Amino acid sequence: DAKTTQPPSMDCAEGRAANLPCNHSTISGNEYVYWYRQIHSQGPQYIIHGLKNNETNEMASLIITEDRKSSTLILPHATLRDTAVYYCIVSNAGGTSYGKLTFGQGTILTVHP
Amino acid sequence: DSGVTQTPKHLITATGQRVTLRCSPRSGDLSVYWYQQSLDQGLQFLIQYYNGEERAKGNILERFSAQQFPDLHSELNLSSLELGDSALYFCASSSRRGNEQYFGPGTRLTVT
Repeated sequence: DAKTTQPPSMDCAEGRAANLPCNHSTISGNEYVYWYRQIHSQGPQYIIHGLKNNETNEMASLIITEDRKSSTLILPHATLRDTAVYYCIVSNAGGTSYGKLTFGQGTILTVHP
Repeated sequence: DSGVTQTPKHLITATGQRVTLRCSPRSGDLSVYWYQQSLDQGLQFLIQYYNGEERAKGNILERFSAQQFPDLHSELNLSSLELGDSALYFCASSSRRGNEQYFGPGTRLTVT
């Protein structure tokens, strides 16, 4: 699985958009970009994933660059409950890695009032 | 609530002992994954089962074993426990190979 690079921490004001970047310059053609988050010591929570097109769901939007070497997770209106560690993961979904997730250090997002 | 359940929530045991952690996946999910989260190692993939068969192995110690039963629930067995095995153990499930994974609340294991 391709390695990802994320900033260790970011701050965001409540109500503003949170834009979390991720670099995955060695991503291969059949690898997806997944985003998960972990609030305190709870189980990680799936947010969104994509292959090459931008994706949006009720939680967030995922913007993947045309060359697929980086992506941005956007939380449109951050709340205090969005304070968490956000993990960007590249995974060969359905391929030889059979869907395992390789977590890095992630980005600690702190949303402040 | 992800729909994945794990028992027990907390477990305190002594070195050298053996414990069993249990996971019930979301209804209909065939894949079960086990992860370990310790302070110094972060979240690490241990093992995956798909419809009762082992499909992938990660950094799982030989002292650890797992299985998935016909009703799709899974158990992670940890034996000859050491202080370093103290960690959060998460189970996740997905509906098919490679799909998004839904995590349980975890079991916090403390080895004294």
